[in-house]
Amino acid sequence: DGGITQSPKYLFRKEGQNVTLSCEQNLNHDAMYWYRQDPGQGLRLIYYSQIVNDFQKGDIAEGYSVSREKKESFPLTVTSAQKNPTAFYLCASSSRPLGAFFGQGTRLTVV
Amino acid sequence: EDQVTQSPEALRLQEGESSSLNCSYTVSGLRGLFWYRQDPGKGPEFLFTLYSAGEEKEKERLKATLTKKESFLHITAPKPEDSATYLCAVQEESGGYQKVTFGIGTKLQVIP
Repeated sequence: DGGITQSPKYLFRKEGQNVTLSCEQNLNHDAMYWYRQDPGQGLRLIYYSQIVNDFQKGDIAEGYSVSREKKESFPLTVTSAQKNPTAFYLCASSSRPLGAFFGQGTRLTVV
Repeated sequence: EDQVTQSPEALRLQEGESSSLNCSYTVSGLRGLFWYRQDPGKGPEFLFTLYSAGEEKEKERLKATLTKKESFLHITAPKPEDSATYLCAVQEESGGYQKVTFGIGTKLQVIP
């Protein structure tokens, strides 16, 4: 089946630790996105990539990093510089003129 | 500042009681407006894309409409399985990038 796969579903991070969230798509979409969702707030854009080997910062990129070495993959690293990382992270991909299609999310908790 | 405002924040309906959700937006050049459904702990599920004022889209009990300043998601004779958070998002051209801004959503509860 075509779709977007995020893993893991749940992730726990210790203070000062970097963690990487996986996002893979087999929809052949060029554009991929990472969003963060917090209670009572709309989805906020962390990073986006429109083509392989290129990506741009979104509205809340500080403390995060990404790579786009393959069209299918867009992993997100939450670094120790991100002071409030506990959130629900959503990966999406899109191909014009349709809207974005989302994965099932990764819930990250700092322990 | 570009904004997407959804109302109400929460809505409780009896099964079969039709209603509408609102999404108002202020963007400089709308490229598309999207509606999503999100169940707790899951990613948003794409419902509709609207591109121009006057456009309408339907899917089962849902109908989305668009004007120059707002969109409505009409729910006709809802069922308990329609309970979810409904998100609205607008897309605009910004520096060569198709920027998408989300509202905070309307949490719908349909009571049997």
